[in-house]
Amino acid sequence: SQQGEEDPQALSIQEGENATMNCSYKTSINNLQWYRQNSGRGLVHLILIRSNEREKHSGRLRVTLDTSKKSSSLLITASRAADTASYFCATDAGNNNDMRFGAGTRLTVKP
Amino acid sequence: DTGVSQDPRHKITKRGQNVTFRCDPISEHNRLYWYRQTLGQGPEFLTYFQNEAQLEKSRLLSDRFSAERPKGSFSTLEIQRTEQGDSAMYLCASSLLARGELFFGEGSRLTVL
Repeated sequence: SQQGEEDPQALSIQEGENATMNCSYKTSINNLQWYRQNSGRGLVHLILIRSNEREKHSGRLRVTLDTSKKSSSLLITASRAADTASYFCATDAGNNNDMRFGAGTRLTVKP
Repeated sequence: DTGVSQDPRHKITKRGQNVTFRCDPISEHNRLYWYRQTLGQGPEFLTYFQNEAQLEKSRLLSDRFSAERPKGSFSTLEIQRTEQGDSAMYLCASSLLARGELFFGEGSRLTVL
């Protein structure tokens, strides 16, 4: 079963704009991860945020985590056409040793 | 570090045939995962190995699916008597730590005619 749900399902923006994607999950977690997937390719890890962290940055990426609301957001600043991809959040759902993924947000950045 | 490799990348088969996929994880990673992904959906967990032990298996995995990881290195995923509903991308990932960063292969795309 999938643990996280991303919102929106699809997002289309112009190059240079910021993109924000949200993830909600159902049970307590140890950490939450964000991944990116280009069409027809494998997933690439972007960032991991632990349950005791509230915000994390990596380059143009900013991730926040609100465990009280069981939600996370991924912000991509100054987007580029090359950021066009699907973005997934994944959580470990407490005692599971594996990561469970949501259905993803399909981001299109128009040049 | 050559990354996670999967073989074959594409497989077309007729309904009822058996297929086998192979995954070679990053060499020092003792955790290996199989996921299935259909178009427009996120990866769906199938099974997980720590070394050669299969520690978790999804209830969604029918008895036509079997996975092995002999000697704790490469893994195989076999699907017997394939059905059209098995058409999907089969993704393998490995990790060094429990609940840590997953390193994915490029996937094996299965089409069942």
